Amino acid sequence: EDKVVQSPLSLVVHEGDTVTLNCSYEVTNFRSLLWYKQEKKAPTFLFMLTSSGIEKKSGRLSSILDKKELFSILNITATQTGDSAVYLCAVENAERAGGTSYGKLTFGQGTILTVHP
Amino acid sequence: GAGVSQSPSNKVTEKGKDVELRCDPISGHTALYWYRQRLGQGLEFLIYFQGNSAPDKSGLPSDRFSAERTGESVSTLTIQRTQQEDSAVYLCASSPQAGVYNEQFFGPGTRLTVL
Repeated sequence: EDKVVQSPLSLVVHEGDTVTLNCSYEVTNFRSLLWYKQEKKAPTFLFMLTSSGIEKKSGRLSSILDKKELFSILNITATQTGDSAVYLCAVENAERAGGTSYGKLTFGQGTILTVHP
Repeated sequence: GAGVSQSPSNKVTEKGKDVELRCDPISGHTALYWYRQRLGQGLEFLIYFQGNSAPDKSGLPSDRFSAERTGESVSTLTIQRTQQEDSAVYLCASSPQAGVYNEQFFGPGTRLTVL
């Protein structure tokens, strides 16, 4: 059974701190790993990672994938109160259904990040 | 352009009643997905549509759950004879096409509470 595990489950920091969120996975037919930020209800896309060792960066957020050790990290530097959210990691595997393959996402349970002023 | 929309945003119902949840995907997106998110948990896959067909229904938890899609657009998730354990946020997502490496765009969800 495909499995995605995130750690820590929750994290409380102060503005300006740097945080590292972890995601490990065991899936068949791996295609990509995605990070989402969920503030109210709708998860919003952050990154899609497909290759090992190549860092993706967007402002203060960055992420990297290790396909040999089967994990990814999401770093947030100089955290702000607006970074408070649930961060979801999902792994896409290629499923065959209806004669074609499609990307099926398996999500971790999320990391709740709280940034205090 | 408009994103994925869902209605209602909140639904409170009594145990045993049927409910219908609606999803309007981004125009032109052929792939549509339904997920369930219980309190404090990640997202559980329910069903995948490619066009109006549902080639993968493997995540539907019981035969009380069904979904359809019409016009390669709107989708409806129906839960019959609701139970308290059905209480969750139901999220819909769409992507431009099937295949892999496609970002899924999520709607705001419907929070279902079964009393």
